Amino acid sequence: KQEVTQIPAALSVPEGENLVLNCSFTDSAIYNLQWFRQDPGKGLTSLLLIQSSQREQTSGRLNASLDKSSGRSTLYIAASQPGDSATYLCAVKALMDSSYKLIFGSGTRLLVRP
Amino acid sequence: DTGVSQDPRHKITKRGQNVTFRCDPISEHNRLYWYRQTLGQGPEFLTYFQNEAQLEKSRLLSDRFSAERPKGSFSTLEIQRTEQGDSAMYLCASSSRPSGGTLEQYFGPGTRLTVT
Repeated sequence: KQEVTQIPAALSVPEGENLVLNCSFTDSAIYNLQWFRQDPGKGLTSLLLIQSSQREQTSGRLNASLDKSSGRSTLYIAASQPGDSATYLCAVKALMDSSYKLIFGSGTRLLVRP
Repeated sequence: DTGVSQDPRHKITKRGQNVTFRCDPISEHNRLYWYRQTLGQGPEFLTYFQNEAQLEKSRLLSDRFSAERPKGSFSTLEIQRTEQGDSAMYLCASSSRPSGGTLEQYFGPGTRLTVT
């Protein structure tokens, strides 16, 4: 059974720091991996999607890497800003019960202090 | 098109009442998904539709839950005889099936249900 774990559960950093969020998954047979941002009480905004054949994706100050063999992904945020404060969710798309599904981690709650 | 929309955004109900939520997907998307998210957890899959056909339901979806997508456009999720354990955020997502596409899901803002 595919399980997704995110570490740390919460993180507080001063503005300007570079930071890394971690995601691990138990079964390397994934279709893709996606990082989402969720603001309090709101829906999910997709940040980056990495296909299983890719190693990384970049968008602005965000860079996500994927190592399927070790079951790990990292989200790197450069020069963090208070506006980056949110919960970051990692999800893998994997075959479960005969269809592909998104399986989410519990998220990392990020606070960037001014 | 402004994306996936959900209505209402918040619902407070008393235990035992029935509630219904609506999701309007992105107009050309033929797949629609429902998820449930409890506090401090990631979303969990409930069910999905391709056009009007409900193709799969999670074991999380008890017989008090029913979802429909009658014309392959908007969808409704009904919870009968609500329980306090049903309190959660209910998220809807949609995706399309372009040839060679990623089937990326686009999420709505969610409906937060509180059962008192």
